Amino acid sequence: EPEVTQTPSHQVTQMGQEVILRCVPISNHLYFYWYRQILGQKVEFLVSFYNNEISEKSEIFDDQFSVERPDGSNFTLKIRSTKLEDSAMYFCASSELGVTPFGPGTRLLVL
Amino acid sequence: GEDVEQSLFLSVREGDSSVINCTYTDSSSTYLYWYKQEPGAGLQLLTYIFSNMDMKQDQRLTVLLNKKDKHLSLRIADTQTGDSAIYFCAESSAGNNRKLIWGLGTSLAVNP
Repeated sequence: EPEVTQTPSHQVTQMGQEVILRCVPISNHLYFYWYRQILGQKVEFLVSFYNNEISEKSEIFDDQFSVERPDGSNFTLKIRSTKLEDSAMYFCASSELGVTPFGPGTRLLVL
Repeated sequence: GEDVEQSLFLSVREGDSSVINCTYTDSSSTYLYWYKQEPGAGLQLLTYIFSNMDMKQDQRLTVLLNKKDKHLSLRIADTQTGDSAIYFCAESSAGNNRKLIWGLGTSLAVNP
């Protein structure tokens, strides 16, 4: 069964550094998403992407965040200048006809 | 705005049935989901139901949807210790870019 994959599984970075989180959605899915989950808290929507553009973004998704689908298979989330409060699990998901599987997540730790 | 609510904790004995409940506010919900998250792990899609259905069964899992009351439940038959996890209810609507609105999660503890 096809799966959403994410790399890396863990990333440790210094505050102020840029990070790129990578996702490979399921190939025939048209909707892509990034969510995050701060330890012990609710899953929060960051951004949705459809037809090669952002379709919706949350208040969390400020100018420090960007998404890209550079080559038709990868879907990336870039955080330009990380802050301590960006430490969280970041999940990618893709969706088609209601089926919305999630990737295993990237655990980001900002020091 | 849209909201999804769940009770935070449920404790059952091994072999009993577990019922996890969820309420939501978005009357235009299209799909409703149950995800499972084990400690330190990702979000596993357990099952989902389309809003024009009122029940879906998948092995030990039964999902019941009362659209009038905006109430969703997940029943796990013959609960095992391996079912101990956090169970998240989520909903999406086609008019909302299909993004998922999440509950806080119900922590299920299964006692031997």
